[in-house]
Amino acid sequence: GAGVSQSPSNKVTEKGKDVELRCDPISGHTALYWYRQRLGQGLEFLIYFQGNSAPDKSGLPSDRFSAERTGESVSTLTIQRTQQEDSAVYLCASSIGTNQPQHFGDGTRLSIL
Amino acid sequence: QKEVEQDPGPLSVPEGAIVSLNCTYSNSAFQYFMWYRQYSRKGPELLMYTYSSGNKEDGRFTAQVDKSSKYISLFIRDSQPSDSATYLCAMSYTGANSKLTFGKGITLSVRP
Repeated sequence: GAGVSQSPSNKVTEKGKDVELRCDPISGHTALYWYRQRLGQGLEFLIYFQGNSAPDKSGLPSDRFSAERTGESVSTLTIQRTQQEDSAVYLCASSIGTNQPQHFGDGTRLSIL
Repeated sequence: QKEVEQDPGPLSVPEGAIVSLNCTYSNSAFQYFMWYRQYSRKGPELLMYTYSSGNKEDGRFTAQVDKSSKYISLFIRDSQPSDSATYLCAMSYTGANSKLTFGKGITLSVRP
């Protein structure tokens, strides 16, 4: 597709369950970023991929969060044993390289009951 | 002190007004400066992307960066109701990792 695609667009789950969020970046974009947007807060950086490797995971809030990227394309963000404070919009962005404009998907709205 | 501060708003203006949105930052290492527009339940859309100090104009939008004052601005001329959205400033360092640091965003409403 022409833009960054994220799925699902909405996810409601019970506390303690695991969730997987998917990001399809723009074709040819080697850099991929995950951000989190909590209600009333700015976007927070979570993790950065260059190709399939993640040189910066410094924004992941706990070891319950992990992410991978395969084929220099699709990325999956996994949250294990979800907590209510994990409720947020999770946004993915991609860029053609470093220090290039980042283009965002519409996010996954995650609600933990 | 947060790294990037943005006026909290909300801001309401009449159609046709000139809008000025501002952010300040504390880290002089930031070199790339961006403005994003975000409509409700959508992802941020890139409006302006600038490197270092100076002005950049694109249609009704002008971005200004003053690195000496650590201050960036977005001006919207002849504002339209369709400009009603949340505006986010963002910035990044030069280097291998261009992760963005964002302001909290300001919600703008343009009244017809």
